[in-house]
This record gives sequence, structure tokens and C-alpha cells, in this order.
Amino acid sequence: AQKVTQAQTEISVVEKEDVTLDCVYETRDTTYYLFWYKQPPSGELVFLIRRNSFDEQNEISGRYSWNFQKSTSSFNFTITASQVVDSAVYFCALSETGNQFYFGTGTSLTVIP
Amino acid sequence: NAGVTQTPKFQVLKTGQSMTLQCAQDMNHEYMSWYRQDPGMGLRLIHYSVGAGITDQGEVPNGYNVSRSTTEDFPLRLLSAAPSQTSVYFCASSYDSGTGEQFFGPGTRLTVL
Repeated sequence: AQKVTQAQTEISVVEKEDVTLDCVYETRDTTYYLFWYKQPPSGELVFLIRRNSFDEQNEISGRYSWNFQKSTSSFNFTITASQVVDSAVYFCALSETGNQFYFGTGTSLTVIP
Repeated sequence: NAGVTQTPKFQVLKTGQSMTLQCAQDMNHEYMSWYRQDPGMGLRLIHYSVGAGITDQGEVPNGYNVSRSTTEDFPLRLLSAAPSQTSVYFCASSYDSGTGEQFFGPGTRLTVL
């Protein structure tokens, strides 16, 4: 079974629209970490955020915000007022105790000017 | 500070050939890992290491070997390449064992004919 599910394979939005990328995870550990990474068309992987399982506070960084809900095992990512530079593949990832990382299959976001 | 470097950037092999993908980091990170990225599959962990002399298997270890003789280097060996190993390979390192932000190399695109 997938430990990290990103059900949205591809999303297209028009510039300045808000968009939410969904991430659902599965773990039996009480201590775990969640991540989001961005992979622009150039191919590199860029770290966006890390959250541990004991910190359910939502976080905002500029136009980016993250909503962590343990009750629904979700860690969703919202981009406000999207820009063309936000076009990329976004990956959600889970790390449990034991040093294993699990990535979702990614959501490809296209922002249309 | 070069971060995580990988060589080569591109490689074409014939079935049955062997090769080593090189990975080095200059951040004194203890944790290093190898992933493969395939279309629609996200990133999957091949092997990881929590320090020199210590390695362990990830989700998809078959067909790959690793060793970690120094903190800086973590080479990935393909002993007998198969077409199923055609993929993009990423090396990563982290300051905080398997729970911290991972810094990724630029990737190696490998094609096995």
C-alpha cells in the first residue's frame, strides 16, 4: 500500500488563482516527519518544508501555506495567487523512525499565464 | 561549498554492463541516500547510510550495491545493468539522520539498452 498518496496527478490553473495540492499519508508510528519538495522543469529537487508529527500548527511562508491534520492524515499545500514560476512537480514525503523516506508520486502543476 | 555532486550526468549502458554512479557531499552530513525516479512512480529509496561503514536497504534495493567508506562519498554500483534500471538517479544527504531536510544532487540520467 502506498504510504504517501498524492491523488492529483496533474493540475492546471490560471495565473493568480489559488491552488491546493493534496497529500494523504499512512503510518503507524507516533513520531514521523512530513515534507514537501518542488521539482521545477530543470529537474533539481528543492526542499520546501518539514513538519514533525507533534506540531500540527499550520505554517505560512509568503504565498505558500501548509495544513497538517493528523485526524485525516493529511498534509496539504496551498499556493496563493499562483505564478508561472510555480509550475513544477510537487512531491510530498514521509519519514518514519528507521530512516526510511517515502515519496508520493507527485503532482504536476501548470500555471497558465 | 559544492553541496551534493553526482557524476556522470548522463550514461548509456548495454544490458549486463556494470558501472558506478558517484555521489559526494561537502556538508559533513552523516545521512546519505540514493533514489530512483521513474515516470508516475515518484522517488523510491534504493539504499541509505547513516554514517561511514553503515548502510541499509531502502524500498527497491535489488540490483544495486552501496558502500560508505568515508563521510563524503556514497557510490551506487550496478553490477549487471538491466533495462528495468533505466531511470533518473538522485543522491541526497541530510544533517539530521533520516528525519531532516535532504539536499539533493542534480541527478544522473541512466539508459540501459
